[in-house]
Amino acid sequence: DADVTQTPRNRITKTGKRIMLECSQTKGHDRMYWYRQDPGLGLQLIYYSFDVKDINKGEISDGYSVSRQAQAKFSLSLESAIPNQTALYFCATSDAGGDNEQFFGPGTRLTVL
Amino acid sequence: DQQVKQNSPSLSVQEGRISILNCDYTNSMFDYFLWYKKYPAEGPTFLISISSIKDKNEDGRFTVFLNKSAKHLSLHIVPSQPGDSAVYFCAASGVRGAQKLVFGQGTRLTINP
Repeated sequence: DADVTQTPRNRITKTGKRIMLECSQTKGHDRMYWYRQDPGLGLQLIYYSFDVKDINKGEISDGYSVSRQAQAKFSLSLESAIPNQTALYFCATSDAGGDNEQFFGPGTRLTVL
Repeated sequence: DQQVKQNSPSLSVQEGRISILNCDYTNSMFDYFLWYKKYPAEGPTFLISISSIKDKNEDGRFTVFLNKSAKHLSLHIVPSQPGDSAVYFCAASGVRGAQKLVFGQGTRLTINP
């Protein structure tokens, strides 16, 4: 079984709809992250959480919100989706006591029409 | 501003030869650097890292070189194999353990038989 799972894997939605992307991990890591990948721009950090009570904005948090429901779960919401949020979204985890290595989920491809 | 740059969007190398992927950074506070590898429909996976106290780190066929004065790092793969065909991202962090990563845009490596 995968250590970091993301649901859904693919989603097509319409402008103005609310969307939630979910991430679960079985690695026991405290730290979780949400990134988006756009062609030619690499991965950009949206939000990160170093424990259940800690939520921080990343480089591109506008238009997004997150919820850390438990150590193992970190969800990303688009309150009112817009077409330029069409991208590949990745969740990642890391160990607070370890190096900077992050472990990524398989990604969610989101299309906003 | 793009703090971590991979100026070559793509690279094509013959099987058995050396692949050299380059990465430049602008922030002198970056202290720890990583390379990730990404296959289609999968999340990035950690490949190799280097701390700024070193100028070289080697792991099997993969070697990362760091030139702090030039703010440049490179990943050497030798010999290149067809399974190395993927997108490679370099990433940088302010402090080892700080765990917020800044990613480059990625370089698509194709190994030709």
